[in-house]
Amino acid sequence: DGGITQSPKYLFRKEGQNVTLSCEQNLNHDAMYWYRQDPGQGLRLIYYSQIVNDFQKGDIAEGYSVSREKKESFPLTVTSAQKNPTAFYLCASSPGAGSGGYTFGSGTRLTVV
Amino acid sequence: AQSVTQLDSQVPVFEEAPVELRCNYSSSVSVYLFWYVQYPNQGLQLLLKYLSGSTLVKGINGFEAEFNKSQTSFHLRKPSVHISDTAEYFCAVTRGSTLGRLYFGRGTQLTVWP
Repeated sequence: DGGITQSPKYLFRKEGQNVTLSCEQNLNHDAMYWYRQDPGQGLRLIYYSQIVNDFQKGDIAEGYSVSREKKESFPLTVTSAQKNPTAFYLCASSPGAGSGGYTFGSGTRLTVV
Repeated sequence: AQSVTQLDSQVPVFEEAPVELRCNYSSSVSVYLFWYVQYPNQGLQLLLKYLSGSTLVKGINGFEAEFNKSQTSFHLRKPSVHISDTAEYFCAVTRGSTLGRLYFGRGTQLTVWP
């Protein structure tokens, strides 16, 4: 079945360490997105990519980095510069410009101690 | 940029009662509208969407929503809720010209009591 796979589901890291969250899709979607979710704040866009080898900052990109070397993959690195990294991270994809409808992964809960 | 306002952060309701979750958006151009549902520690699942055509949209799990352009609203309704409907619900909006980016509301936690 086609879908989006985020791994791992739970991740623990020490403060000051970089960590990479995986997102893979087999839906042949052009666009991919990373959102951060905190209680009571909804979903905030971190980065998005409309096409391979291209990506744009979202609303809260500081302290994060991404790459899009393959259509299927859009990993997110949470760097030590991110001041408050503990959150639930959601990856999504869509067929492309104008379609709107997203397919979401099941999320990664990152806890930094 | 678009903005989406979900007017209620929490909605408690008894089983088999009707429910309405409110959503208003701001935009001066045509938009596409969506409702998503999120169960604890999971991703978001599409409930329904309005792209064009009939303003009354039916979705999964017995939910429906009505697009009201004059009031810039897209409220979600269900005539009789079940305990399994307990979840967080997100309203979202996009313009076709903005390359598919969705703007989300802050969410409404629906809790159904027996």
